[in-house]
Amino acid sequence: QQQVKQSPQSLIVQKGGIPIINCAYENTAFDYFPWYQQFPGKGPALLIAIRPDVSEKKEGRFTISFNKSAKQFSLHIMDSQPGDSATYFCAASGAGSYQLTFGKGTKLSVIP
Amino acid sequence: IAGITQAPTSQILAAGRRMTLRCTQDMRHNAMYWYRQDLGLGLRLIHYSNTAGTTGKGEVPDGYSVSRANTDDFPLTLASAVPSQTSVYFCASTRLAGSYNEQFFGPGTRLTVL
Repeated sequence: QQQVKQSPQSLIVQKGGIPIINCAYENTAFDYFPWYQQFPGKGPALLIAIRPDVSEKKEGRFTISFNKSAKQFSLHIMDSQPGDSATYFCAASGAGSYQLTFGKGTKLSVIP
Repeated sequence: IAGITQAPTSQILAAGRRMTLRCTQDMRHNAMYWYRQDLGLGLRLIHYSNTAGTTGKGEVPDGYSVSRANTDDFPLTLASAVPSQTSVYFCASTRLAGSYNEQFFGPGTRLTVL
């Protein structure tokens, strides 16, 4: 049973566009929701994270929106650049476990 | 340079052979993890260790074993490799403290089992 569902699987946007990646979770005990960014041939790296006591968090051009009642969270990339082309993973953890449950990933391509 | 190192970078292995993937971190993190990454399936946890001397099973542990003799090293062993274990393997670590437990990932090992 997949506990974190991520969509879309792939996404193509033009430079300057605002790609949005969505995730939904099932376990109401989750209380930490990070997003990881992975470039080809590299390991994933933490991009931004949120806890459910806030509905939005911004870091530079990256924003997480969180809807606790719907059990959904999303990543928005403002003014996207070709350098943002990567695979993005949402994840969740909580309920006393530090293990992360990852979504299946979204491959983002930003074309010039 | 602080971080996680993995070895080898890539390996082609005959089915039935034994293989150990190495992982070392110098951040003194207490928790370490092994994931496999397959196209369309994302990152799946194989085994983890919350502290030296303890290990636990993740989502896909069958065919793999781990040990954690000290804080820095967390090797992953395939006792008898099978083609379905062809994947990219990532080691990660984190300091278990507080609410935000950022996992730091190594560069990965690309394993092909023929």
